[in-house]
Amino acid sequence: GESVGLHLPTLSVQEGDNSIINCAYSNSASDYFIWYKQESGKGPQFIIDIRSNMDKRQGQRVTVLLNKTVKHLSLQIAATQPGDSAVYFCAVEEGAQKLVFGQGTRLTINP
Amino acid sequence: KAGVTQTPRYLIKTRGQQVTLSCSPISGHRSVSWYQQTPGQGLQFLFEYFSETQRNKGNFPGRFSGRQFSNSRSEMNVSTLELGDSALYLCASSLNLGNQPQHFGDGTRLSIL
Repeated sequence: GESVGLHLPTLSVQEGDNSIINCAYSNSASDYFIWYKQESGKGPQFIIDIRSNMDKRQGQRVTVLLNKTVKHLSLQIAATQPGDSAVYFCAVEEGAQKLVFGQGTRLTINP
Repeated sequence: KAGVTQTPRYLIKTRGQQVTLSCSPISGHRSVSWYQQTPGQGLQFLFEYFSETQRNKGNFPGRFSGRQFSNSRSEMNVSTLELGDSALYLCASSLNLGNQPQHFGDGTRLSIL
């Protein structure tokens, strides 16, 4: 089955800098990828998704990049703000509606 | 539009008991999935329901079961509770099947004494 790994369990950035969170997946046939943000005491919040027929997708202050050749996914957050502090998960869909999650990266924003 | 609602938010049970958790999906969403989140194992898929039918199941013992009603609301049940069942149980809903973002509730925190 699919396995998903993240490169760093923690990431600390200065307020205003750009953040990049990375993720690797194992199944080259994977077709759908999602990034979630989870704040303390809350469920994962959908940030952005991307399908395998794309290599880049942008949202508000966020960009997801997909490199299918090396099976790598990244989330870029522009001009990081204190409210961006959270745990970020990438997830890969394995079969209908079954998401396989990475272990998460805790993003800390320094003032 | 209201998000995914899970009840109760917190639950304390003892070993051997059983528990039922409830999930109301976003209005109009037809697929409901359940996940278990623990510090050691992270987020793990339990099962998924669409049109009252279980379409997909994760690697959990048969003590974990669920169902979906005609209004898309879902329940999950855990019987003969074990200490290791202590976790945050999350419900997610999506509009339809396949390549659809799943939107999560805030979960039910289950503690087993």
